[in-house]
Amino acid sequence: GQQVMQIPQYQHVQEGEDFTTYCNSSTTLSNIQWYKQRPGGHPVFLIQLVKSGEVKKQKRLTFQFGEAKKNSSLHITATQTTDVGTYFCAGRTSVSGQKLVFGQGTRLTINP
Amino acid sequence: EAGVTQFPSHSVIEKGQTVTLRCDPISGHDNLYWYRRVMGKEIKFLLHFVKESKQDESGMPNNRFLAERTGGTYSTLKVQPAELEDSGVYFCASSHTVGTGKYYGYTFGSGTRLTVV
Repeated sequence: GQQVMQIPQYQHVQEGEDFTTYCNSSTTLSNIQWYKQRPGGHPVFLIQLVKSGEVKKQKRLTFQFGEAKKNSSLHITATQTTDVGTYFCAGRTSVSGQKLVFGQGTRLTINP
Repeated sequence: EAGVTQFPSHSVIEKGQTVTLRCDPISGHDNLYWYRRVMGKEIKFLLHFVKESKQDESGMPNNRFLAERTGGTYSTLKVQPAELEDSGVYFCASSHTVGTGKYYGYTFGSGTRLTVV
């Protein structure tokens, strides 16, 4: 079945450093979404990417969707302590319908 | 608008007992999903309702799990009898559907942390 792999599993950075998490799918995705889960919280929708090669920005966050629509990345510039949490990518294929398949998540911790 | 509400927030039960989780989606959201996260691993799909109908239940682990969505409103997920490996955080999420091939992000509830001892 469809698999979505996410790396790294954990990342610890100093406040102010950049952070990137990568997502790879075994199959071509129709769209991909990113979620953030704060410690003890629940996943919160960040963004959706649909087009091949699409790049979207939200303040210090940059999201990319690969040309082949099989990979994606989230880059945070100059991390702040409020960025702490687990970041999940989640993708759909043409056959998975509404169902999202989530990656394992990247847990980001920050040293202030 | 009110968010997705899940009840209870925590449940500790003994192996062999029954537990029923409840989810109230955002009003007007036809799509309701159940997911489970075990031991910090990925968020795994369990099933998907469109209104009161089960659209996809391919993620349900076995027949000890039963989900219903009465009248297309709230949903329940019953585990009977519970086993140790059922422990985890059960998330409910809901979303709109807007046209063919158009999707919104999910709105997740706060989850139910189930511990089977």
